[in-house]
Amino acid sequence: DIQMTQSPSSLSASVGDRVTITCRASQSISNYLNWYQQKPGKAPKLLIYAASSLQSGVPSRFSGSGSGTDFTLTISSLQPEDFATYYCQQSYSTPRFTFGPGTKVDIK
Amino acid sequence: QVQLVQSGSELKKPGASVKVSCKASGYTFSSYSINWVRQAPGQGLEWMGWINTNTGNPTYDQGFTGRFVFSSDTSVSTTYLQISSLKAEDSAVYYCARALTSSGVWYFDLWGRGTLVTVSS
Repeated sequence: DIQMTQSPSSLSASVGDRVTITCRASQSISNYLNWYQQKPGKAPKLLIYAASSLQSGVPSRFSGSGSGTDFTLTISSLQPEDFATYYCQQSYSTPRFTFGPGTKVDIK
Repeated sequence: QVQLVQSGSELKKPGASVKVSCKASGYTFSSYSINWVRQAPGQGLEWMGWINTNTGNPTYDQGFTGRFVFSSDTSVSTTYLQISSLKAEDSAVYYCARALTSSGVWYFDLWGRGTLVTVSS
């Protein structure tokens, strides 16, 4: 089974900061990596698919990169509405999917 | 409007069963599979499995076999999750999510709001 890890598990940042979250797969998954944002009490929202493709309607301050086992989600300038938990998800082993444990971004 | 509408919160006793619904609208129901994702209180997202809404064929992840059943009814564009012999540890929010693919990469582009299932005596 493919295992996903994320780092850090949580971080504190200020509005305007550049934020980077890392996701690592236990084996190579090419670009089969997606990122989701979840706010408290809400459903997850797709941000990035296929490692670097921005979902329609998602602000351009969000970007994704990586291939193989190491991936990053970057928020270029953190906005108040970006405080949330972020999850990566591998879809290499489709029809089986695995989520990472999540990274909580809160206000410094 | 393209959306997935889930049924409301449920409070059940241990040993009982529950059936959660997920109704699709605004798109061709049978053209997209539906996945189910569990989120226990304060925990992360856990993929449970998916159902091919065209054939009705379900696939379950490890840990979700036996007591968990996915089904679908194309006549009402609705997918169901039934959990039997409920345990306290089944208490969670259950999400349905539509799967889409781009160049072979699958992702969940549309989510329901979630259904809270609470199991308590």
